[in-house]
Order: sequence, then structure tokens, then C-alpha cells
Amino acid sequence: GESVGLHLPTLSVQEGDNSIINCAYSNSASDYFIWYKQESGKGPQFIIDIRSNMDKRQGQRVTVLLNKTVKHLSLQIAATQPGDSAVYFCAGTNTDKLIFGTGTRLQVFP
Amino acid sequence: IAGITQAPTSQILAAGRRMTLRCTQDMRHNAMYWYRQDLGLGLRLIHYSNTAGTTGKGEVPDGYSVSRANTDDFPLTLASAVPSQTSVYFCASSDSGSTDTQYFGPGTRLTVL
Repeated sequence: GESVGLHLPTLSVQEGDNSIINCAYSNSASDYFIWYKQESGKGPQFIIDIRSNMDKRQGQRVTVLLNKTVKHLSLQIAATQPGDSAVYFCAGTNTDKLIFGTGTRLQVFP
Repeated sequence: IAGITQAPTSQILAAGRRMTLRCTQDMRHNAMYWYRQDLGLGLRLIHYSNTAGTTGKGEVPDGYSVSRANTDDFPLTLASAVPSQTSVYFCASSDSGSTDTQYFGPGTRLTVL
């Protein structure tokens, strides 16, 4: 079936460094993608989204890159802070549903 | 504006018991969803509702039922709970269809013994 997944279960970065979290998807027809942040004990929180007619979108300290050729998207977090520690997962459309990846845990150390 | 609220926050339930998880949104979103989140499996869609009065089955609907009597409320019922339904349940809503941005509630942690 269609899938959306992440490359690494855990990513450790030093405070102040940039973080890059990756996601791959299998459905070439997917046209909308979302990145969510989930802190321990909380619900997923919307971070940023991107449609397939774009290859880059920027928010506050975050950038999402979409490469439709290799069906890959990434979330870049600039100047990572301790408050960025969480599980990040991507979601992509599959016809009329959103399919969620399993997540990457971002650990920020001083 | 509260967004999405869920109740209870957590619950321990004996197998075979009936349980209803509540979800209310105040954003006047048309679509609402129920997901379960299990370690290593990500979020899986249980049921959804594109608009008040309509519901549909998601990826893992067995053992669950929903109703959508109005725009704001979308309760999830386990008619006879089983241990495999131990999970964290999230309710979400979106302005239009499921390809629109979905906003999540804080979750209900359910343990079935």
C-alpha cells in the first residue's frame, strides 16, 4: 500500500545547530504534505505544509523542501533549540486521506 | 478559543466494557477524524466525518463506531473493549476534506485490561 515514512528514528543535534529531518513517500500522486511536531504527552502540532506545485516553503526557523523526482521531503530547523525536542512526522495525501509517517525523535543537547 | 478538546484524558477499562471517548471542536470545521497512535505504527485513521450527519470508515474501523449529530461533536465508541484497543486516541478536525490541514486534540490514553 501507499506509505509515508521517515529515514531515521532518532536524530541528536547540538543546541544552535541546524536540524534536517527526512521523509520519503511512495505515492507519486500525493500533492499535499504536512510536517507535525509532537511533544511528549501532547497531540501533534502543525508546523508547516507544502503543495506539490512548490519545491520549497519557509516558515519561522523552519523550511520544508520537496523533491518530487525522488519522492522525498525534508524539514530543516535553523538554530535548533531545546524546545524543539519532540517527535516530528510528515503526512502526505493518498487520494482523499492523509497518511502519516512513524516519526523521528529529535533530541537537542547543550 | 480552545480548539479541540478530548475527554477523558486517560482511562483504564476492563475488557468487555463499553466506552465513549468525547471530542469537541469550536473552530466550526466541517471534517473530523479519530486516530489511534501506537508505538512504531504512527497515526492510523479509525473513522472520519466530512460533514455533520455523515461518517466513513478509515484504516482500522473494526470495534469502533462514531456519530456526527452536529458540527462540533464527534464521539468515538468502543462497544466491547478488548486489550488490543489499548492505545492513545487523537481526535482531529479540518476546515474541509482530509487533504486540508488537520488540527489535533490533546489525546486520550486508554488502557484495556
